[in-house]
Amino acid sequence: GQQVMQIPQYQHVQEGEDFTTYCNSSTTLSNIQWYKQRPGGHPVFLIQLVKSGEVKKQKRLTFQFGEAKKNSSLHITATQTTDVGTYFCAGQSRYGGSQGNLIFGKGTKLSVKP
Amino acid sequence: DTAVSQTPKYLVTQMGNDKSIKCEQNLGHDTMYWYKQDSKKFLKIMFSYNNKELIINETVPNRFSPKSPDKAHLNLHINSLELGDSAVYFCASSPQRGGPRSTQYFGPGTRLTVL
Repeated sequence: GQQVMQIPQYQHVQEGEDFTTYCNSSTTLSNIQWYKQRPGGHPVFLIQLVKSGEVKKQKRLTFQFGEAKKNSSLHITATQTTDVGTYFCAGQSRYGGSQGNLIFGKGTKLSVKP
Repeated sequence: DTAVSQTPKYLVTQMGNDKSIKCEQNLGHDTMYWYKQDSKKFLKIMFSYNNKELIINETVPNRFSPKSPDKAHLNLHINSLELGDSAVYFCASSPQRGGPRSTQYFGPGTRLTVL
């Protein structure tokens, strides 16, 4: 079945350092979504990427979708303590795999040392 | 107003009991979901429900059953609870199941502890 792999599982950074998490799918995706879950909270939608090679920015966050629509990345520039949390990618198979449901990666837990 | 709400927030119960978790969304969305998040924070879909069509993750034991009285509600009933059922259960909704309108809105979660 469709799999979405995300690395690294954990990342510890000093405040001000950059952070990147990577997501790879075993199948071509129709779209990929990114979510953030703060400690003790619930996943919150950040962004959706649909087009091949798409790049979107939200302040210090940059999201990319690969040309083959099988991988994606989230890059945070100059991390702040408010960035702490677990970042999930979620892919939807282009070919309707899993009945069109989103398949979540296992997440990258980011901790930021002040 | 809360977009996706769940009750209860915490649920502590004994092995073998039957329990239900309720979910309501006021977003007018067509699709609702149940997810299980274990202690390692892995987020796994259990069910999706769209226009009376139920899609079940094949790995979910049949002790779990979703019930939808109407489009705005999707409750989760669990029979014969086991220790391994301890987790946080999230309800979510989206405008549609697939495509660009499949963005998920999550509820606050229900932390289930089975003793």
